[in-house]
Amino acid sequence: GENVEQHPSTLSVQEGDSAVIKCTYSDSASNYFPWYKQELGKRPQLIIDIRSNVGEKKDQRIAVTLNKTAKHFSLHITETQPEDSAVYFCAAPRGEAGTALIFGKGTTLSVSS
Amino acid sequence: NAGVTQTPKFRVLKTGQSMTLLCAQDMNHEYMYWYRQDPGMGLRLIHYSVGEGTTAKGEVPDGYNVSRLKKQNFLLGLESAAPSQTSVYFCASSWIPGGVGTEAFFGQGTRLTVV
Repeated sequence: GENVEQHPSTLSVQEGDSAVIKCTYSDSASNYFPWYKQELGKRPQLIIDIRSNVGEKKDQRIAVTLNKTAKHFSLHITETQPEDSAVYFCAAPRGEAGTALIFGKGTTLSVSS
Repeated sequence: NAGVTQTPKFRVLKTGQSMTLLCAQDMNHEYMYWYRQDPGMGLRLIHYSVGEGTTAKGEVPDGYNVSRLKKQNFLLGLESAAPSQTSVYFCASSWIPGGVGTEAFFGQGTRLTVV
């Protein structure tokens, strides 16, 4: 089955700096890679996703890059702001039909002003 | 449009007691999931369903059972609760039959403590 590893587990940056979180996956058949943000005490919410037919996707200050050969994908946040402080999870599909998401263990991002 | 709703939001159980967590979605989604979230462990898949009347095991299914008698509801049962099942439980759903590749919408979570 799919195995997703996420690094780092914690990340502290100054406001305005960039933050990068990286995930690796094991199943070469996986074709969909979302990123979720979870604020303290809240539910996880999708912030960006990428499919295997593209290498990069951007949405304002966030971007995701995918390297299918190396089986890793990364979340990039530029010009970080205090409200970016949260736990971020990557995920990849599980099983032959990819019917459920397997999540990484999460990265706690702290942005100090 | 409520999205995904979990009942209850909080619960304290004694070891050995049983309970059922209810997840309801009003988005006509085919796929539904139960995850547990523990510090440092991320979101771990317990069981999931790809349609009414179907269920399948996830990463950590032991000690849990599920049922999907109606498309909009997905129930998670603990037959004999153990302290190791103390966790925050999240239900989620997604649409488009045919596989993953769309947003999963999460409920607000249920904080369960087993003493």
